[in-house]
Amino acid sequence: EDQVTQSPEALRLQEGESSSLNCSYTVSGLRGLFWYRQDPGKGPEFLFTLYSAGEEKEKERLKATLTKKESFLHITAPKPEDSATYLCAVRGGGSQGNLIFGKGTKLSVKP
Amino acid sequence: DTEVTQTPKHLVMGMTNKKSLKCEQHMGHRAMYWYKQKAKKPPELMFVYSYEKLSINESVPSRFSPECPNSSLLNLHLHALQPEDSALYLCASSQVSGYGGLYEQYFGPGTRLTVT
Repeated sequence: EDQVTQSPEALRLQEGESSSLNCSYTVSGLRGLFWYRQDPGKGPEFLFTLYSAGEEKEKERLKATLTKKESFLHITAPKPEDSATYLCAVRGGGSQGNLIFGKGTKLSVKP
Repeated sequence: DTEVTQTPKHLVMGMTNKKSLKCEQHMGHRAMYWYKQKAKKPPELMFVYSYEKLSINESVPSRFSPECPNSSLLNLHLHALQPEDSALYLCASSQVSGYGGLYEQYFGPGTRLTVT
């Protein structure tokens, strides 16, 4: 069964304190791993798609990496406006294209 | 423009009411989705339309009825809902690849539904 596990559930950082969020996955035939950011009461905002192990993508203070078993979202020198829930999702070969979401990591960045 | 719009933003309805949620995208995407999201939970897939045809129905109760009038519009008709159906309803869209695969999904802001 395809599965996505995110850790930690919650992360509190001081402004400027870099850290990483983890997304571990078990899926038959990965067809894409997706990172989203979600603010309270709003829809998820697309950040990155990763397709193969070794791939990396960057956007401002965020960098996403992918291995055969997990993905990391690295946050460098975070600011309070980076506070949000970060969702990881995978699309597997047997899922008819459905996204399988993890439960998310709630990030709080204090000034 | 990667925008998906949803109306209304908020909806309060009684258990005997009939209402509809609307979603629109102008990105040329040919796949559209409805998700339900409860507080502090990830989105749960309800329906997928690909090329205006319903391709996935995740065993959703019949009190939820989707409709895709054209490639830009997606509706969700609601009837005889229960209080436990209160949630954030999200619409999303994506491109469809040549072999039928689906690319990253872009979400709308959601409709906050409260059933009284």
